[in-house]
Amino acid sequence: QKEVEQDPGPLSVPEGAIVSLNCTYSNSAFQYFMWYRQYSRKGPELLMYTYSSGNKEDGRFTAQVDKSSKYISLFIRDSQPSDSATYLCAMSASGGGNKLTFGTGTQLKVEL
Amino acid sequence: DTEVTQTPKHLVMGMTNKKSLKCEQHMGHRAMYWYKQKAKKPPELMFVYSYEKLSINESVPSRFSPECPNSSLLNLHLHALQPEDSALYLCASSLIFRGEVAKNIQYFGAGTRLSVL
Repeated sequence: QKEVEQDPGPLSVPEGAIVSLNCTYSNSAFQYFMWYRQYSRKGPELLMYTYSSGNKEDGRFTAQVDKSSKYISLFIRDSQPSDSATYLCAMSASGGGNKLTFGTGTQLKVEL
Repeated sequence: DTEVTQTPKHLVMGMTNKKSLKCEQHMGHRAMYWYKQKAKKPPELMFVYSYEKLSINESVPSRFSPECPNSSLLNLHLHALQPEDSALYLCASSLIFRGEVAKNIQYFGAGTRLSVL
């Protein structure tokens, strides 16, 4: 079993839809959770980061962490064609260095 | 400014060539990373430098040789690569490597797309 599981998609939604992207993980030591967006043939761009459980909102993006269920989510409201990209979740444990463990990425396409 | 600059953007090399990838950041970060990313896969960590010293080598073949000449620069020297080494090579940096996790957020460059013929 992988430490981080993420549905690879592809996920196709109409413009304006609410998108829900999810990751589950098995390592209870993970405390820091990130979402990166990666456009085709480009490097990952940090979208959101959260520490421990809770919600964080930034514009159209909301990140949720439920440590009791080992489940994290990224919600995109009013999705736009420019949101079409691969979304990678990543997480790290406190102490011992900052090695990120990535999910496999979910490919999202927002259609007009 | 959260910019990590990588050059070149694209590189084609033969299996007998020697080439180098370059990464630069001016955010005062003291941890720098090399990742390899194959198509439709997540980035795989190769090396970590912390305060200009090699901190992690993820059992990378010796045909990849990293170098950190100063706190702003990171190089990856390539020699005698194989076609399976063709990939997107990503550089990242963070404020520090070990310690408070809040200071460890990694910022990535746009990558160098490498093709080995």
